Amino acid sequence: DTAVSQTPKYLVTQMGNDKSIKCEQNLGHDTMYWYKQDSKKFLKIMFSYNNKELIINETVPNRFSPKSPDKAHLNLHINSLELGDSAVYFCASSQEGMQYGYTFGSGTRLTVV
Amino acid sequence: DQQVKQNSPSLSVQEGRISILNCDYTNSMFDYFLWYKKYPAEGPTFLISISSIKDKNEDGRFTVFLNKSAKHLSLHIVPSQPGDSAVYFCAAGGSQGNLIFGKGTKLSVKP
Repeated sequence: DTAVSQTPKYLVTQMGNDKSIKCEQNLGHDTMYWYKQDSKKFLKIMFSYNNKELIINETVPNRFSPKSPDKAHLNLHINSLELGDSAVYFCASSQEGMQYGYTFGSGTRLTVV
Repeated sequence: DQQVKQNSPSLSVQEGRISILNCDYTNSMFDYFLWYKKYPAEGPTFLISISSIKDKNEDGRFTVFLNKSAKHLSLHIVPSQPGDSAVYFCAAGGSQGNLIFGKGTKLSVKP
Protein backbone atom coordinates (compact mmCIF):
# COMPACT_ATOMS: atom_id res chain seq x y z
CA ASP A 1 0.00 0.00 0.00
CA THR A 2 1.95 2.99 -1.34
CA ALA A 3 2.24 5.90 1.11
CA VAL A 4 2.78 8.67 -1.47
CA SER A 5 1.74 7.80 -4.99
CA GLN A 6 2.28 9.85 -8.12
CA THR A 7 0.82 9.35 -11.55
CA PRO A 8 1.96 9.04 -14.20
CA LYS A 9 5.48 7.71 -13.64
CA TYR A 10 6.57 8.77 -17.13
CA LEU A 11 5.18 11.56 -19.26
CA VAL A 12 6.38 12.45 -22.75
CA THR A 13 4.68 15.39 -24.40
CA GLN A 14 5.20 18.08 -26.99
CA MET A 15 6.08 21.69 -26.38
CA GLY A 16 3.09 23.89 -25.83
CA ASN A 17 0.88 21.18 -24.35
CA ASP A 18 -0.79 21.33 -20.94
CA LYS A 19 -0.32 18.40 -18.58
CA SER A 20 -1.08 17.38 -15.01
CA ILE A 21 0.68 15.18 -12.48
CA LYS A 22 -1.36 13.76 -9.63
CA CYS A 23 -0.21 13.02 -6.11
CA GLU A 24 -1.98 11.32 -3.24
CA GLN A 25 -0.80 10.40 0.25
CA ASN A 26 -2.49 8.01 2.67
CA LEU A 27 -0.33 8.85 5.69
CA GLY A 28 -2.64 11.46 7.19
CA HIS A 29 0.05 14.12 6.83
CA ASP A 30 -0.99 17.76 6.83
CA THR A 31 1.74 19.11 4.55
CA MET A 32 2.50 18.19 0.95
CA TYR A 33 5.22 19.37 -1.40
CA TRP A 34 6.35 19.39 -4.99
CA TYR A 35 10.07 19.16 -5.70
CA LYS A 36 11.85 19.30 -9.04
CA GLN A 37 15.07 17.41 -9.79
CA ASP A 38 16.70 18.96 -12.79
CA SER A 39 19.42 17.62 -15.09
CA LYS A 40 22.09 18.68 -12.59
CA LYS A 41 20.39 16.44 -10.02
CA PHE A 42 19.47 19.25 -7.63
CA LEU A 43 16.24 18.67 -5.71
CA LYS A 44 14.54 22.05 -5.39
CA ILE A 45 11.28 22.86 -3.72
CA MET A 46 8.54 24.33 -5.88
CA PHE A 47 5.48 24.46 -3.62
CA SER A 48 4.24 23.35 -0.27
CA TYR A 49 0.69 23.12 1.00
CA ASN A 50 -0.46 22.73 4.58
CA ASN A 51 -3.99 21.45 4.96
CA LYS A 52 -4.95 22.71 1.50
CA GLU A 53 -3.35 26.14 1.96
CA LEU A 54 -0.36 27.33 -0.04
CA ILE A 55 2.61 27.85 2.28
CA ILE A 56 5.63 28.02 -0.01
CA ASN A 57 5.70 29.20 -3.58
CA GLU A 58 9.27 29.40 -4.78
CA THR A 59 10.29 31.26 -7.90
CA VAL A 60 8.49 29.05 -10.34
CA PRO A 61 6.95 30.21 -13.65
CA ASN A 62 3.24 30.84 -13.26
CA ARG A 63 2.68 28.18 -15.93
CA PHE A 64 2.99 25.82 -12.95
CA SER A 65 -0.07 25.76 -10.73
CA PRO A 66 -0.59 23.42 -7.78
CA LYS A 67 -4.07 22.41 -6.76
CA SER A 68 -5.02 20.77 -3.48
CA PRO A 69 -8.63 19.57 -3.41
CA ASP A 70 -8.10 18.07 0.05
CA LYS A 71 -5.16 17.53 2.35
CA ALA A 72 -4.45 14.07 0.91
CA HIS A 73 -4.01 15.33 -2.66
CA LEU A 74 -1.70 17.82 -4.31
CA ASN A 75 -1.77 17.93 -8.07
CA LEU A 76 0.54 19.88 -10.35
CA HIS A 77 -0.73 21.46 -13.53
CA ILE A 78 1.70 22.74 -16.12
CA ASN A 79 0.57 24.93 -19.01
CA SER A 80 2.39 25.66 -22.25
CA LEU A 81 5.15 23.16 -21.60
CA GLU A 82 8.69 24.13 -22.58
CA LEU A 83 11.81 22.04 -23.25
CA GLY A 84 13.34 23.32 -20.01
CA ASP A 85 10.50 21.81 -18.00
CA SER A 86 11.94 18.36 -18.64
CA ALA A 87 12.88 16.97 -15.23
CA VAL A 88 11.82 14.52 -12.57
CA TYR A 89 9.07 15.88 -10.33
CA PHE A 90 8.69 14.47 -6.84
CA CYS A 91 5.71 14.81 -4.57
CA ALA A 92 6.26 14.47 -0.83
CA SER A 93 4.37 14.76 2.42
CA SER A 94 5.34 15.30 6.02
CA GLN A 95 3.93 15.32 9.51
CA GLU A 96 4.71 18.09 11.95
CA GLY A 97 8.31 17.98 13.12
CA MET A 98 11.29 18.29 10.82
CA GLN A 99 13.02 15.34 12.50
CA TYR A 100 10.68 12.91 10.76
CA GLY A 101 11.62 14.09 7.30
CA TYR A 102 9.46 13.81 4.26
CA THR A 103 7.99 10.77 2.59
CA PHE A 104 8.54 11.03 -1.15
CA GLY A 105 6.69 9.54 -4.05
CA SER A 106 8.62 7.64 -6.70
CA GLY A 107 8.72 10.60 -9.07
CA THR A 108 7.35 11.53 -12.47
CA ARG A 109 9.85 11.82 -15.28
CA LEU A 110 8.58 14.53 -17.62
CA THR A 111 10.13 14.79 -21.07
CA VAL A 112 9.14 17.66 -23.31
CA VAL A 113 9.98 17.17 -26.99
CA ASP B 1 23.80 29.94 -4.20
CA GLN B 2 23.98 26.50 -2.63
CA GLN B 3 23.16 26.46 1.05
CA VAL B 4 23.83 22.73 1.31
CA LYS B 5 26.86 21.29 -0.45
CA GLN B 6 28.03 17.76 -1.04
CA ASN B 7 31.39 18.17 -2.67
CA SER B 8 32.05 14.53 -3.47
CA PRO B 9 29.90 13.34 -6.37
CA SER B 10 30.90 9.72 -5.79
CA LEU B 11 32.47 7.38 -3.26
CA SER B 12 33.57 3.77 -3.62
CA VAL B 13 34.03 1.53 -0.58
CA GLN B 14 34.75 -2.13 0.02
CA GLU B 15 32.04 -4.25 1.61
CA GLY B 16 32.47 -4.41 5.39
CA ARG B 17 34.42 -1.15 5.60
CA ILE B 18 33.19 2.23 6.76
CA SER B 19 31.51 4.68 4.35
CA ILE B 20 31.78 8.36 5.26
CA LEU B 21 29.63 10.83 3.38
CA ASN B 22 30.18 14.52 3.95
CA CYS B 23 28.02 17.60 3.75
CA ASP B 24 28.65 21.32 4.35
CA TYR B 25 26.12 24.07 4.87
CA THR B 26 26.19 27.83 5.01
CA ASN B 27 23.09 28.84 6.97
CA SER B 28 23.57 28.68 10.74
CA MET B 29 19.80 28.98 11.26
CA PHE B 30 18.99 25.45 10.11
CA ASP B 31 17.19 23.50 12.84
CA TYR B 32 17.49 19.97 11.51
CA PHE B 33 19.71 18.02 9.20
CA LEU B 34 18.67 14.86 7.43
CA TRP B 35 20.11 12.17 5.21
CA TYR B 36 18.17 10.53 2.42
CA LYS B 37 19.00 7.52 0.29
CA LYS B 38 17.83 7.21 -3.30
CA TYR B 39 17.80 4.25 -5.64
CA PRO B 40 17.35 4.78 -9.41
CA ALA B 41 13.75 5.38 -10.50
CA GLU B 42 12.60 5.70 -6.89
CA GLY B 43 11.95 8.63 -4.61
CA PRO B 44 14.40 9.57 -1.84
CA THR B 45 13.94 7.57 1.36
CA PHE B 46 14.50 9.14 4.77
CA LEU B 47 17.42 7.57 6.65
CA ILE B 48 18.32 9.56 9.73
CA SER B 49 18.10 13.07 11.12
CA ILE B 50 19.84 15.18 13.72
CA SER B 51 18.74 18.28 15.57
CA SER B 52 21.02 21.31 15.51
CA ILE B 53 21.34 21.05 19.30
CA LYS B 54 22.96 17.62 19.13
CA ASP B 55 26.27 16.46 17.74
CA LYS B 56 25.55 12.79 17.13
CA ASN B 57 22.64 10.52 16.33
CA GLU B 58 22.89 6.80 15.79
CA ASP B 59 20.49 4.31 14.24
CA GLY B 60 21.83 0.82 13.68
CA ARG B 61 24.64 0.94 11.13
CA PHE B 62 24.04 4.64 10.44
CA THR B 63 25.47 7.48 12.50
CA VAL B 64 25.25 11.17 11.72
CA PHE B 65 27.73 13.62 13.22
CA LEU B 66 27.17 17.37 13.33
CA ASN B 67 29.94 19.94 13.78
CA LYS B 68 28.16 23.27 14.08
CA SER B 69 31.27 25.39 14.36
CA ALA B 70 32.51 23.99 11.06
CA LYS B 71 29.00 23.89 9.55
CA HIS B 72 29.68 20.31 8.60
CA LEU B 73 27.89 17.02 8.98
CA SER B 74 28.75 13.51 8.00
CA LEU B 75 27.02 10.16 7.67
CA HIS B 76 28.92 7.05 8.70
CA ILE B 77 27.78 3.63 7.55
CA VAL B 78 29.41 0.71 9.37
CA PRO B 79 29.75 -1.93 8.09
CA SER B 80 28.95 -1.03 4.49
CA GLN B 81 26.92 -3.52 2.50
CA PRO B 82 26.36 -3.84 -1.27
CA GLY B 83 22.69 -2.93 -0.73
CA ASP B 84 23.83 0.46 0.55
CA SER B 85 24.88 1.40 -2.98
CA ALA B 86 22.71 4.39 -3.83
CA VAL B 87 22.77 8.17 -4.05
CA TYR B 88 22.81 9.84 -0.63
CA PHE B 89 21.37 13.31 -0.21
CA CYS B 90 22.07 15.62 2.67
CA ALA B 91 19.23 18.02 3.53
CA ALA B 92 18.72 20.86 5.97
CA GLY B 93 15.52 22.18 7.49
CA GLY B 94 14.75 25.68 6.21
CA SER B 95 13.00 28.49 8.07
CA GLN B 96 9.68 27.84 6.32
CA GLY B 97 9.73 24.14 7.13
CA ASN B 98 11.00 23.13 3.72
CA LEU B 99 14.03 20.94 3.14
CA ILE B 100 17.02 22.22 1.17
CA PHE B 101 18.97 19.42 -0.48
CA GLY B 102 22.54 18.94 -1.51
CA LYS B 103 23.42 17.56 -4.92
CA GLY B 104 23.96 14.03 -3.68
CA THR B 105 26.87 11.58 -3.43
CA LYS B 106 26.75 8.28 -5.26
CA LEU B 107 27.99 5.50 -3.00
CA SER B 108 29.18 2.23 -4.51
CA VAL B 109 29.89 -0.63 -2.12
CA LYS B 110 32.00 -3.33 -3.78
CA PRO B 111 31.58 -6.97 -2.70
